[in-house]
Amino acid sequence: DPKIIQKPKYLVAVTGSEKILICEQYLGHNAMYWYRQSAKKPLEFMFSYSYQKLMDNQTASSRFQPQSSKKNHLDLQITALKPDDSATYFCASSQDPGGAETLYFGSGTRLTVL
Amino acid sequence: KTQVEQSPQSLVVRQGENCVLQCNYSVTPDNHLRWFKQDTGKGLVSLTVLVHENDKTSNGRYSATLDKDAKHSTLHITATLLDDTATYICVVGLGNYQLIWGSGTKLIIKP
Repeated sequence: DPKIIQKPKYLVAVTGSEKILICEQYLGHNAMYWYRQSAKKPLEFMFSYSYQKLMDNQTASSRFQPQSSKKNHLDLQITALKPDDSATYFCASSQDPGGAETLYFGSGTRLTVL
Repeated sequence: KTQVEQSPQSLVVRQGENCVLQCNYSVTPDNHLRWFKQDTGKGLVSLTVLVHENDKTSNGRYSATLDKDAKHSTLHITATLLDDTATYICVVGLGNYQLIWGSGTKLIIKP
């Protein structure tokens, strides 16, 4: 049973549109994160949330907005989509934020922007 | 400049043999170092976390070392299985929320 659920698994969008990537974790964790992996590149950290509060934002563009309606939810809203946004977006969580806590990852949402 | 360098980029090993993956980094501060396994098209699985100066960890057939002075880590996989075919990623944690990711070593296990 996956403990971190990301929806949808695949997403195709047109340039200029807006999409929301869903992430729910059922591990009882207090910290959640978003990472992006573009083709043939290392993962890049985007956001971290702890107890539903934004702790760190390494995303330059305001087009990327995390949304946390519940402690175990961290969705990612992306507006004005561009082809360069095409990537696999991974959600992760850990019991507590920072440090050497074990990270658990979802299986990702592969976004393609045409 | 790449902050976390992994070598080799790819490696082919016969099933049952052992292999060693290398990770060199230039990140500061290096609060801890992680190794992940990423199956093609799937998420990431944490293999181990190394925290201390000359840490060594063991997780089944996976064992890892960390030398903070040399800014170097190794991941050893013993008695490889076909299921070990994956990309292995070295990640350095800064001690806050940020992780600096390597590009990975693509390991292929042949029968």
